[in-house]
Amino acid sequence: DTGVSQNPRHKITKRGQNVTFRCDPISEHNRLYWYRQTLGQGPEFLTYFQNEAQLEKSRLLSDRFSAERPKGSFSTLEIQRTEQGDSAMYLCASSLALLTGGPNSYEQYFGPGTRLTVT
Amino acid sequence: ILNVEQSPQSLHVQEGDSTNFTCSFPSSNFYALHWYRWETAKSPEALFVMTLNGDEKKKGRISATLNTKEGYSYLYIKGSQPEDSATYLCATNTGNQFYFGTGTSLTVIP
Repeated sequence: DTGVSQNPRHKITKRGQNVTFRCDPISEHNRLYWYRQTLGQGPEFLTYFQNEAQLEKSRLLSDRFSAERPKGSFSTLEIQRTEQGDSAMYLCASSLALLTGGPNSYEQYFGPGTRLTVT
Repeated sequence: ILNVEQSPQSLHVQEGDSTNFTCSFPSSNFYALHWYRWETAKSPEALFVMTLNGDEKKKGRISATLNTKEGYSYLYIKGSQPEDSATYLCATNTGNQFYFGTGTSLTVIP
């Protein structure tokens, strides 16, 4: 399968615990995005990487959240001291940004998401 | 934060009916409009990317139009089939930040 994969697909944790999610993008894609979706809402942008550089972070991304993409391939999203309000679907997407730019540079391919439940 | 709105929130149609949904977005600082289909337990799938006012895109029985001056896009499904049942999301991006609507949940009744 050459699509975007995310692990785990489901995570149940107790409040106060730390959790880490992994995203493996499509191999040649240089951009990687993280989103969070809560019930009844659309996906909300959290952060994105161009290769290994984290170029933009949403104000939604509190200091308990950290994301890395150390070698410009897979990425991890860690949430420290989880709270019940962190319960959501966490989506990862990747895209191939062309030097020539254009809208196709922003065509994103999504993973199936990691559903986090904080009890 | 850009406000992207979709309507209706949910829709039930009979197999064979045609249907359409609306996505509205701020027309200022517009770069591109995206439509996705998201089936339960699967990944969101990109349908269309549109940038120019008046753009029309088509993929099989699904088509979309774009009006950037008034800030809306329509998604049309002709002759709905049960396999079209999904949530349809639209998003706009200004540079690298994407803003999604809350989606339209479509159920096609056989």
